Amino acid sequence: NAGVTQTPKFRVLKTGQSMTLLCAQDMNHEYMYWYRQDPGMGLRLIHYSVGEGTTAKGEVPDGYNVSRLKKQNFLLGLESAAPSQTSVYFCASSEQGFDSETQYFGPGTRLLVL
Amino acid sequence: AQSVTQPDIHITVSEGASLELRCNYSYGATPYLFWYVQSPGQGLQLLLKYFSGDTLVQGIKGFEAEFKRSQSSFNLRKPSVHWSDAAEYFCAAGYGGATNKLIFGTGTLLAVQP
Repeated sequence: NAGVTQTPKFRVLKTGQSMTLLCAQDMNHEYMYWYRQDPGMGLRLIHYSVGEGTTAKGEVPDGYNVSRLKKQNFLLGLESAAPSQTSVYFCASSEQGFDSETQYFGPGTRLLVL
Repeated sequence: AQSVTQPDIHITVSEGASLELRCNYSYGATPYLFWYVQSPGQGLQLLLKYFSGDTLVQGIKGFEAEFKRSQSSFNLRKPSVHWSDAAEYFCAAGYGGATNKLIFGTGTLLAVQP
């Protein structure tokens, strides 16, 4: 039981390049989330999904897209990376709604955009 | 707008000393309250959570937190800190209904002196 895994662990991009971050969970959770963590700002929700085939915007969605084609996977895409997207990205999942349920986090992806 | 405040950015305690990390939340209704811990290079792990009932909540690793409605606070405590407790601690509040979001504080970084 691996929990929540993220790929890759670290990535360096040049401005304008694109990439996809992969999140996978093996707990059969309905809800999945993408957060970014920046110094002094805590975690901010980028996008989330309430089930397979669904996605919704969070607090800071601009510049990102997501897809959830399979229940266990949640992909975060950056179409044209910008230095402002340098951050640590965390994926999380929970059984149901995220206001009351425990969220399980992946180890994070550290992204540097030059 | 809802918010979660952790007034201490950085705290240093001696090993064996007691610890209290502060957390205050805003909004009229009592949200669901959580404490998460993030060890260096890792994702967040749930320490404890409060929904209702007994205002003193026990968590993992010897941590506890006390909910005080009159002060809109949910402070985390540990009677005797171990060197392995050095980490960043995040308080979070879950607001349901139409709001339906989980808001994180900015975190408190704990250093433990030998």
